[in-house]
Amino acid sequence: GQNIDQPTEMTATEGAIVQINCTYQTSGFNGLFWYQQHAGEAPTFLSYNVLDGLEEKGRFSSFLSRSKGYSYLLLKELQMKDSASYLCAGFNDYKLSFGAGTTVTVRA
Amino acid sequence: SAVISQKPSRDICQRGTSLTIQCQVDSQVTMMFWYRQQPGQSLTLIATANQGSEATYESGFVIDKFPISRPNLTFSTLTVSNMSPEDSSIYLCSVAPGGGQPQHFGDGTRLSIL
Repeated sequence: GQNIDQPTEMTATEGAIVQINCTYQTSGFNGLFWYQQHAGEAPTFLSYNVLDGLEEKGRFSSFLSRSKGYSYLLLKELQMKDSASYLCAGFNDYKLSFGAGTTVTVRA
Repeated sequence: SAVISQKPSRDICQRGTSLTIQCQVDSQVTMMFWYRQQPGQSLTLIATANQGSEATYESGFVIDKFPISRPNLTFSTLTVSNMSPEDSSIYLCSVAPGGGQPQHFGDGTRLSIL
C-alpha cells in the first residue's frame, strides 16, 4: 500500500520560494501527482512525475526520487493567489492515494 | 482536459434520506472515480465506477451505502443512502481519460445532513 506524508502547514512571503516535501511507502508504484486545492474548490492538477528527476512547469516544479520514496513541489516567485492546500498523491495502477495536504499561506 | 459537470453543487438533507449525485463528462473517459473529502481532511477514494458492471469499492465503503451507476462512458451517479450527520462531506467525481493522463475533478457536491 501507500503511506503519504507531507507537512501540515507552511508559511512564506510573497516573491519567495517554498518547497513542499512528500515521502511515501509504496508497492506497485506508477507515479506521483501534485494537486492544488483552494478553499471551497475542487483540486486542480499541477504536476506528475513517473521518472526520477525534475519536471518544470512555469513557476511550479516537481521532483521525484523513486529509490528514496521522496518527492517535492517547488513554488517559485510566490503570489498571494498561491495560498492553498497542496496535495501529494501516489498513483498505483489506476488509483490515487492522497496525503493529508500541506496548507501554504503566502504573506505580503 | 475533459469538462466535468457535477450536480447538485450543494444540498442540505434530512437524516435518513438519500441523495443521488450526478457526474457528466463532455467526452468519453476510461475511468471515473468517486471521492469523499470530510471537513478539513484530504480526499478518500470511495469507489471506481465501472462502465457496464458493478463498481469497485475501497475498504470501508459498501454498495448498500454508496450505490454507484455508470451506464456509459460519459456519465455516473453516486447515491448516499440513509444519510446521517457523519455523511456531511464534499463528494467529488474525477475522471482519468486513460493513456497515463492525470485525473481531473468535478467541482464537488457539498452535502450537509441535519
